[in-house]
Amino acid sequence: DAGVTQSPTHLIKTRGQQVTLRCSPKSGHDTVSWYQQALGQGPQFIFQYYEEEERQRGNFPDRFSGHQFPNYSSELNVNALLLGDSALYLCASSFSDTEAFFGQGTRLTVV
Amino acid sequence: DQQVKQNSPSLSVQEGRISILNCDYTNSMFDYFLWYKKYPAEGPTFLISISSIKDKNEDGRFTVFLNKSAKHLSLHIVPSQPGDSAVYFCAASDGNQFYFGTGTSLTVIP
Repeated sequence: DAGVTQSPTHLIKTRGQQVTLRCSPKSGHDTVSWYQQALGQGPQFIFQYYEEEERQRGNFPDRFSGHQFPNYSSELNVNALLLGDSALYLCASSFSDTEAFFGQGTRLTVV
Repeated sequence: DQQVKQNSPSLSVQEGRISILNCDYTNSMFDYFLWYKKYPAEGPTFLISISSIKDKNEDGRFTVFLNKSAKHLSLHIVPSQPGDSAVYFCAASDGNQFYFGTGTSLTVIP
């Protein structure tokens, strides 16, 4: 079992551009959550997908959107990138509302 | 508003001694708590969890204690090993999402 895999691992984008991050959940998991971790901070919840629908959303603007596919994989899209969007983006998968398994993250740098 | 707080950003402990990491929370609706360990350039790795119906959970060298009346959670590592050096995050769930603390960087000195 490969666990949770995220791609790409690193990404550099220019302010104003759009970015798509990808996540494949751990085998058997049907729920995917996305987190943003700024430097020196704990992960902040962006949103959660279950059965291809957004089930919960944190305090993030509409520039952050997502999608879940029938195979439970997920994408995080961020439009109109700002310098402040530079962070580590973590994907976590779970089968229940208990423990979640995290991917290694995607380091996004906006310049 | 930070609902989960880890007030110690760093902790240094001698190898073989006990490491105690603390976490406080404000939301009484949290019913499940977790500790994650994070190495540089890696995602957080689940370490140990505890349900709100329990006050203690052990897994090898790791024990988590929950004091619901004080809204306080602690992780004990005994004995501490150099490989335990990492950032430890406390997280709490209200059944919908996880809320994380800002982390405590543990350094175990050989």
